[in-house]
Amino acid sequence: DAGVTQSPTHLIKTRGQQVTLRCSPISGHKSVSWYQQVLGQGPQFIFQYYEKEERGRGNFPDRFSARQFPNYSSELNVNALLLGDSALYLCASSLGSYNEQFFGPGTRLTVL
Amino acid sequence: QQQVKQSPQSLIVQKGGISIINCAYENTAFDYFPWYQQFPGKGPALLIAIRPDVSEKKEGRFTISFNKSAKQFSLHIMDSQPGDSATYFCAASPHHNYGQNFVFGPGTRLSVLP
Repeated sequence: DAGVTQSPTHLIKTRGQQVTLRCSPISGHKSVSWYQQVLGQGPQFIFQYYEKEERGRGNFPDRFSARQFPNYSSELNVNALLLGDSALYLCASSLGSYNEQFFGPGTRLTVL
Repeated sequence: QQQVKQSPQSLIVQKGGISIINCAYENTAFDYFPWYQQFPGKGPALLIAIRPDVSEKKEGRFTISFNKSAKQFSLHIMDSQPGDSATYFCAASPHHNYGQNFVFGPGTRLSVLP
């Protein structure tokens, strides 16, 4: 079975631009969570979605938003990019909102 | 109170040795404690997880020890192999029925020498 897939793999943007990252969960999983991992640190929770509803939000500014589609895939949007947004963005899927989470390979975002 | 502390920051072990990584938390609402293994350029992979109703869980060469009263838990890797060289993250999640968000430790970079 395919694992969690994310696109694109790498992305380079400039300050002030907007970016959309995409995630497809494991087949049958209904929950998607997003994490930001800055180099050398542990992942930080951004959002969790379950059945298209937001189930949790981490301590990130309103420039970060996300949504989940009827097929359970998800998008993470970041507006007005800052240099500090450069990180590996990880998507994790789980069967329900309170189950083991399985991570995708991530999208490496570089903001210049 | 939301933090998960992890030590050591880096660890060097000889092949066949035991690798031990420790984590501590403050939030008594945490009730699920997974460990993740991450190789460079990859996403974290779930290794093993424990809930507070047991004090130890073993899967192959990997064992989690959990001390609820001390709010500490640790990962033991027996017979460490060079292929175990990776960064290991402990995490914790609070119990509530609405959703789940993990709090991760800062990670331990393990190097197993051949």
